[in-house]
Amino acid sequence: AQSVTQLGSHVSVSEGALVLLRCNYSSSVPPYLFWYVQYPNQGLQLLLKYTSAATLVKGINGFEAEFKKSETSFHLTKPSAHMSDAAEYFCAVRASSGYALNFGKGTSLLVTP
Amino acid sequence: DAMVIQNPRYQVTQFGKPVTLSCSQTLNHNVMYWYQQKSSQAPKLLFHYYDKDFNNEADTPDNFQSRRPNTSFCFLDIRSPGLGDAAMYLCATSRDGVLAGSYNEQFFGPGTRLTVL
Repeated sequence: AQSVTQLGSHVSVSEGALVLLRCNYSSSVPPYLFWYVQYPNQGLQLLLKYTSAATLVKGINGFEAEFKKSETSFHLTKPSAHMSDAAEYFCAVRASSGYALNFGKGTSLLVTP
Repeated sequence: DAMVIQNPRYQVTQFGKPVTLSCSQTLNHNVMYWYQQKSSQAPKLLFHYYDKDFNNEADTPDNFQSRRPNTSFCFLDIRSPGLGDAAMYLCATSRDGVLAGSYNEQFFGPGTRLTVL
């Protein structure tokens, strides 16, 4: 079954520093992978998606992710953190059957001044 | 703007009192989903509609039901809410099928936070 594991439930970075949020996937078929962001008391907003077109995927708000098959990873990065990036981030993979997304447990990003 | 709308944003109900949450979409997507998200946890899929076809997740309690009267609207009914049902309920939509590439990119509403007293 398709699944994702997010390493680190909490990540803290200084404003202006590199953001790196880790996601590893397990899949028996080429996966469709997603990163979502959730601000407090809000729904999930799609940051970017990997659908096998290109291994480096650029998303909104300056985020990008690189699909590495050899490492089964899809880590999310941003060169310079902004205070407004503080939120919960979820990695997700499309289930092999049906239409569900299997979410990771989430990583809470804290940005300090 | 095309979007997913959930009403109300906050709902308070009493233990055992039926409650209905609503979701509407202007995206004309054929698939609609209901997720339950408890505090500091990932969203958990309860069920989804593919067009008019209802698909229940195996571990979704019988207490949870859903209706989709037309393409735009979908309802979540909780027949007898318990304290453990207090959560954020998220509605999502996607356009699925051959033409859509079947990537299952899901668009989420802002959620309804349910409190059970």
